Amino acid sequence: DTEVTQTPKHLVMGMTNKKSLKCEQHMGHRAMYWYKQKAKKPPELMFVYSYEKLSINESVPSRFSPECPNSSLLNLHLHALQPEDSALYLCASSQDPTGAYNEQFFGPGTRLTVL
Amino acid sequence: QKEVEQNSGPLSVPEGAIASLNCTYSDRGSQSFFWYRQYSGKSPELIMSIYSNGDKEDGRFTAQLNKASQYVSLLIRDSQPSDSATYLCAVNPPRSQAGTALIFGKGTTLSVSS
Repeated sequence: DTEVTQTPKHLVMGMTNKKSLKCEQHMGHRAMYWYKQKAKKPPELMFVYSYEKLSINESVPSRFSPECPNSSLLNLHLHALQPEDSALYLCASSQDPTGAYNEQFFGPGTRLTVL
Repeated sequence: QKEVEQNSGPLSVPEGAIASLNCTYSDRGSQSFFWYRQYSGKSPELIMSIYSNGDKEDGRFTAQLNKASQYVSLLIRDSQPSDSATYLCAVNPPRSQAGTALIFGKGTTLSVSS
């Protein structure tokens, strides 16, 4: 299995809702990432989990809350989002976050719309 | 500040031509370099990785790295309309205990006309 899966593919939520995005990989990778991508922009890093511990948090608002239940799973909990948070949310994984190579493989993404 | 620079394009080439995409990076200690292809509305797909100076070929794709010039490029031979996409250059900065995250360029949009 050489892929990263994400659910749901699309999500529409109101500003008062609570929802979660899910990501899974079975490649034995030890780093997992959340990125946010707006149209015609590159992916923007949000969080990095390295060996199941949060290692990088790029000053993301607290309405985004990451969770790594185990080495294969990554969640992003959403609460009280704003319309400007509408974007493509991408999960990625890599084998060794401290290694020299650190190839990252992306999932298909969740298209989030906040009304 | 660590930066990765790409021409945003669009780069337009006719079908069958060679497309040349370029990228420069600011951190001389960067370890590894990647090219991702992203179709509109889809996620980035890793198409090439390169770690040492020189050329690396994979099918119609050739990645070139020159660490002295801090320059990496992607050549696409026999370009096809299906190659029309945004190409993202990504650089892995020097290792740290906490792990590293890729630095992405803004991407170059390639359009191949038939």
